[in-house]
Amino acid sequence: DVKVTQSSRYLVKRTGEKVFLECVQDMDHENMFWYRQDPGLGLRLIYFSYDVKMKEKGDIPEGYSVSREKKERFSLILESASTNQTSMYLCAGRSGLDGEQFFGPGTRLTVL
Amino acid sequence: DQQVKQNSPSLSVQEGRISILNCDYTNSMFDYFLWYKKYPAEGPTFLISISSIKDKNEDGRFTVFLNKSAKHLSLHIVPSQPGDSAVYFCAASLYTGNQFYFGTGTSLTVIP
Repeated sequence: DVKVTQSSRYLVKRTGEKVFLECVQDMDHENMFWYRQDPGLGLRLIYFSYDVKMKEKGDIPEGYSVSREKKERFSLILESASTNQTSMYLCAGRSGLDGEQFFGPGTRLTVL
Repeated sequence: DQQVKQNSPSLSVQEGRISILNCDYTNSMFDYFLWYKKYPAEGPTFLISISSIKDKNEDGRFTVFLNKSAKHLSLHIVPSQPGDSAVYFCAASLYTGNQFYFGTGTSLTVIP
């Protein structure tokens, strides 16, 4: 079974803190993605990576960065968290350019 | 600019009846479409997909219809069951592309 895991289900941080969200997949996916989900806005792509050390900006990259040092791990970094980054963050993996993306359970981040 | 739209934020259906969820897209280059289902506090799970060479794909109680000329797809669930109550997202991509474009979601409630 495909497995995408995220390090935390719930996270509470303060404004200005540096935040790391970790995602690990065990299916040898070349491609990994970070989305945020907000009511009325659906899933919006923040960044994706198609190979180790490679990254591409999605639709809303401002305020975020990513790191992919190993194939199985894709990290999302909020350099200085702000209240408007309170959201549900979803990681996904996909093999090649064929088929669906497999999602992790999500991290509900609250920035106070 | 939202390239994939779900104009109905919510839908209520009686158990046993048909649920029809609709999705419109603007980019005529999209050639691969998917539906995902999402329960609260969980990541989206893949439901069914269709490529642009087909106009219908069926999997058990779920059928997706694609009307390329109208840039419209729909998901039919027959018969609807209470366990189908969830948020449904449609997504579209280029078959050779990496990025999925998601709609804003439709919350389906199946009333027992």
